[in-house]
Order: sequence, then C-alpha cells, then structure tokens
Amino acid sequence: DIQMTQSPSTLSAGVGDRVTITCRASQSIGSWLAWYQQKPGQAPNLLIYQASNLQSGVPSRFSGSGSGTEFTLTISSLQPDDFATYYCQQYQSYLYTFGGGTKVEI
Amino acid sequence: EVQLVQSAAEMKKPGESLQISCQTSGYTFTRHWIGWVRQRPGEGLEWMGIIYPTNSDARYSRTFQGQVTISVDASINTAYLQWSSLKASDTAIYFCARQQSSPPDDFDYWGQGTLVTVSS
Repeated sequence: DIQMTQSPSTLSAGVGDRVTITCRASQSIGSWLAWYQQKPGQAPNLLIYQASNLQSGVPSRFSGSGSGTEFTLTISSLQPDDFATYYCQQYQSYLYTFGGGTKVEI
Repeated sequence: EVQLVQSAAEMKKPGESLQISCQTSGYTFTRHWIGWVRQRPGEGLEWMGIIYPTNSDARYSRTFQGQVTISVDASINTAYLQWSSLKASDTAIYFCARQQSSPPDDFDYWGQGTLVTVSS
C-alpha cells in the first residue's frame, strides 16, 4: 500500500502566520491527493482535492500544491478558526491511505 | 442539502455482533460511492472500505478485509458497517463519508461519527 508521511506532526503558530504542512507519498500518486481539516469532536472537512483545487466554501487562505510524491498545504494567514488537525489522503488507487495528521496549535 | 446521519453510540462486549448505519439524504444515493473511516481514540484516520450503492460492489482496505462487512439498502438510502465478533481494539469512532465522484476520489461529505466502545 502507498504510505503517506506528514510533517511536522505538531506545529505551533500564531494568528496571522503563514503555515505550511508537507505530505510525502511512498510512490508517485500524480495529483490524487486531498487535504482535510478536523476539529476536536467533529468529522473531517474537505479543504483541497486533486492536490490544488479548493473545495467549494473553503476560505481562499487555504491552498494546495505539488504532484508526484511531495505535496504541501499552505494557510496564508492563520486565523483562530484554523487551529485544528490536518490530514492528507491519497487516492491514486482505491486502496486509500491517510497521512498521520498535523496538529496546528497556538 | 446533502446530509449523512449516523446511528447513535454503542457499548458492546467482546465477541458481540454490531451493525451501525449511515442514512443519507439530499442527493441521489446510487450515484456516489460511500466509504467508512475509523478513528481510534487520540489517533488518526484509517480508511476501511467503500461501496457502490447501485450494485453493492464493495472494496476493502487490506487491514479490514474479512474483519468487517460494508453493505447498503438503496431503498432507504442507507449504508451499514457490520462486525460479527467485536474486539476491544475495535473501540473507535467510525465515520461514513460520500465520495465526490467515481473512485478513486476524495470524500466531500461526512457523517457525524458513531462511537463504538467494546469492553468487558
């Protein structure tokens, strides 16, 4: 199975900071990557699909880039509502896998 | 409005069977694959499997193949996740989620989660 490695596992930042999270795949997945945000006690929420496409209703401060094996999620100016855990998910084949998560904290 | 509403929390003993449900509304149930995702306490997300409601074509993660059964009842727009013999290690929150398009694809709508606790 394709392994997804996220870094860092925890990130400390302040309101207004630019934040970047990296996700690496164990083999090429093209652009078949999604990013989700999960807050405590809630279901995940889709932010980015196909590596760089912003899901409808998601603020434009979120952006995704990359292809092949290396991907990034960037939050251009961190807002109080953005403190959460972020996961990448590959869907190059139907054997989907998630990254281990990155917790963004104050 | 697309909604996925999951069944209530369950408390079971090891060895017992269980079926949890995911009732959908606001879209054509048979046009979108439905998946299940496990989240153990304090841990990350694990993809379990997906099913196509039109023909019940189900595909499983290697980890969960043979451990659970995913099914649907298209007449009531509902998906199910079933265990025949629970273990303590099955204690987790289970989410159902809709795929945006034909697999492989991401999950655009999610249920609220069902907490399953397995303890003697």
